[in-house]
Amino acid sequence: EVQLVQSGAEVKRPGESLKISCKTSGYSFTNYWIGWVRQKPGKGLEWMGIIYPGDSDIRYSSTFEGQVTISADKSISTAYLQWSSLKASDTAIYYCAKVAVLNKGGWFDAWGQGTLVTVSS
Amino acid sequence: DIVMTQSPDSLAVSLGERATINCKSSQTLLWSSNNKNYLAWYQHKPGQPPKLFISWASTRESGVPDRFSGSGSGTDFTLTINSLQAEDVAIYYCQQYYNSPYTFGQGTKLEIK
Repeated sequence: EVQLVQSGAEVKRPGESLKISCKTSGYSFTNYWIGWVRQKPGKGLEWMGIIYPGDSDIRYSSTFEGQVTISADKSISTAYLQWSSLKASDTAIYYCAKVAVLNKGGWFDAWGQGTLVTVSS
Repeated sequence: DIVMTQSPDSLAVSLGERATINCKSSQTLLWSSNNKNYLAWYQHKPGQPPKLFISWASTRESGVPDRFSGSGSGTDFTLTINSLQAEDVAIYYCQQYYNSPYTFGQGTKLEIK
């Protein structure tokens, strides 16, 4: 069974750094793209970017490039999303999700439970 | 980037009736080499992660009730829910995966009338 288990909720101050995780199991981590999706309070889903753990190829949405860093650790089948300096506008639920198709980008067929990140002074 | 626009933003339908959600892309999602439309539909309920319902514009995911169907080609797509049930109340999103970034529509909130 494919599982994506995300790290717990975070409360941070503006300017702080943060790295959230997505631990996967039940499939070959290095052979499927895995990505991150943002949902701001009361808003829709925003595609942030995806990473191919096999070679660390990364595709970012222009909205998020330079604002976050997506990474992966093959040795522990875990993907990460990190910020170097959080803003209040980063307050959102962040979902990790596995791309459905082997070796290719595309739609997401399995999702983590979401991580709520709250940034407030 | 490909812009995905859904209509309506919200929809109220009586139990047992049909709900229709539209999704329009700013460029074609039909790949001529394989004649496939690179479009997916998701259902999203509060407090849960989104759930994949349909890929390739019309292929239902295993376990999705057959009252859900996807149609359309090129730039215009439709998610149809026949005989609406109470458990179908959710927000529905389309997503294109023709070109990165694989953008979502803004979502359509489906409620019971």
